[in-house]
Amino acid sequence: NAGVTQTPKFQVLKTGQSMTLQCAQDMNHNSMYWYRQDPGMGLRLIYYSASEGTTDKGEVPNGYNVSRLNKREFSLRLESAAPSQTSVYFCASSVAGGYNEQFFGPGTRLTVL
Amino acid sequence: SQQGEEDPQALSIQEGENATMNCSYKTSINNLQWYRQNSGRGLVHLILIRSNEREKHSGRLRVTLDTSKKSSSLLITASRAADTASYFCAPLNGGGTSYGKLTFGQGTILTVHP
Repeated sequence: NAGVTQTPKFQVLKTGQSMTLQCAQDMNHNSMYWYRQDPGMGLRLIYYSASEGTTDKGEVPNGYNVSRLNKREFSLRLESAAPSQTSVYFCASSVAGGYNEQFFGPGTRLTVL
Repeated sequence: SQQGEEDPQALSIQEGENATMNCSYKTSINNLQWYRQNSGRGLVHLILIRSNEREKHSGRLRVTLDTSKKSSSLLITASRAADTASYFCAPLNGGGTSYGKLTFGQGTILTVHP
């Protein structure tokens, strides 16, 4: 099992460009999450999907959109990137919500110039 | 959801010593989870302790939970250089709009010197 995979690992964008971060899990988990991690801020939840077909906003959703494509895949889209979105982005999954442990991907390091 | 607050922010010890990290939270919980993050990597789940449990062990890890004080502690015994990492606690409220939403604090940076 690969667990949770994320692509790309690194990305540099110019202000105003768009991109999609991809996440996939092969553990048949129902719930998936997107976090961002900034120095001194810990991890902050951007969006989550409790189950296939549902998505909900987290703590910092502005500037992002998500798609739960199927049970395996959960993508995060930046429509018009801003320097404030420079961060490390982590995808995670769990069997069902926070009552279970979350499994994290390796992260995508994004720089917006 | 609520955020756990870890203490201390940084801890530096020698190999073989024990390391204790604390976590405080504000409202009642369903469970509390501890995670480790090595530099440049994703988080790895260590232990989940439920609100009706007081202590849990996993190898060299021991987690305690005191719901009356709204606090938890993570003890790593006989530490190794490979334990050098950031450690996060994540309390989870039960049900409602907090369902499934863990909130992480800034973590404790543990450095274990060989």
